[in-house]
Amino acid sequence: AQSVAQPEDQVNVAEGNPLTVKCTYSVSGNPYLFWYVQYPNRGLQFLLKYITGDNLVKGSYGFEAEFNKSQTSFHLKKPSALVSDSALYFCAVRDDNYGQNFVFGPGTRLSVLP
Amino acid sequence: EAQVTQNPRYLITVTGKKLTVTCSQNMNHEYMSWYRQDPGLGLRQIYYSMNVEVTDKGDVPEGYKVSRKEKRNFPLILESPSPNQTSLYFCASSPAGQGTIRGYGYTFGSGTRLTVV
Repeated sequence: AQSVAQPEDQVNVAEGNPLTVKCTYSVSGNPYLFWYVQYPNRGLQFLLKYITGDNLVKGSYGFEAEFNKSQTSFHLKKPSALVSDSALYFCAVRDDNYGQNFVFGPGTRLSVLP
Repeated sequence: EAQVTQNPRYLITVTGKKLTVTCSQNMNHEYMSWYRQDPGLGLRQIYYSMNVEVTDKGDVPEGYKVSRKEKRNFPLILESPSPNQTSLYFCASSPAGQGTIRGYGYTFGSGTRLTVV
C-alpha cells in the first residue's frame, strides 16, 4: 500500500534562511511525487512534481525538491525563505503499480519569521 | 482556463437539511475525487470516481453520497448533514491511466467551507 509521511507538523525558519520541508514515501511501484501548497483561506496549489529523470526538480516560487530513491524521500527546499512562503505544505504520491489514487501526507505548517 | 469549479464557497446549514456541493471540471479528466480537510487531520478522501458511472468509497465515506452521470460533474451530496460534517471540502480532478499519465497531478477546486449547526 502507498503511504506518505511528513515527520514535522511545524517548521519555523527565519526570513532569508534556507528551508526544508521533509517528505518520505512508500510505494510498491515507481512513484510519482508531488508538492502542493495551501495559503490561508485558499485552495491547494501545485508546486512541483517528480515523474522521472533528473532527481532535482524545480518548481514555482523558487522551490525545488530532491528525489532520493534509496532513502524514499522527496524533501522540499528553498535557498532563501520569504515571509510570504508561510503556508501549509502537502506532499503526495501516486503509484504506477497501484490504483489511480493519490495519497497525501498530513501536511507541514511552515512559518517564516521576519 | 483549465479549472475545477466548486459551489458554493461557503455554506451554513442546519442539521438534517439535505444539501449538494457541486463540482465541475473542464479538462476532460477521467478521475475525480472529494476530500475533507480538518485541523490536524490533513486531507481525507471521501469518494472518488474513475469515470462516468464508476464511483468508489475513500477513507471517510459515511454520511456522503456522490454521483457521476457526466464526465465533467461530480456532486457531493449530504442527505442528512450533522455537525461532525462541518469541514472544508475540496474537489479535485486528474487524468487517469497507465504509466506516466499518472504524473499529471491533481487540479483542485477552491474549496467549500461547510458549517452544520
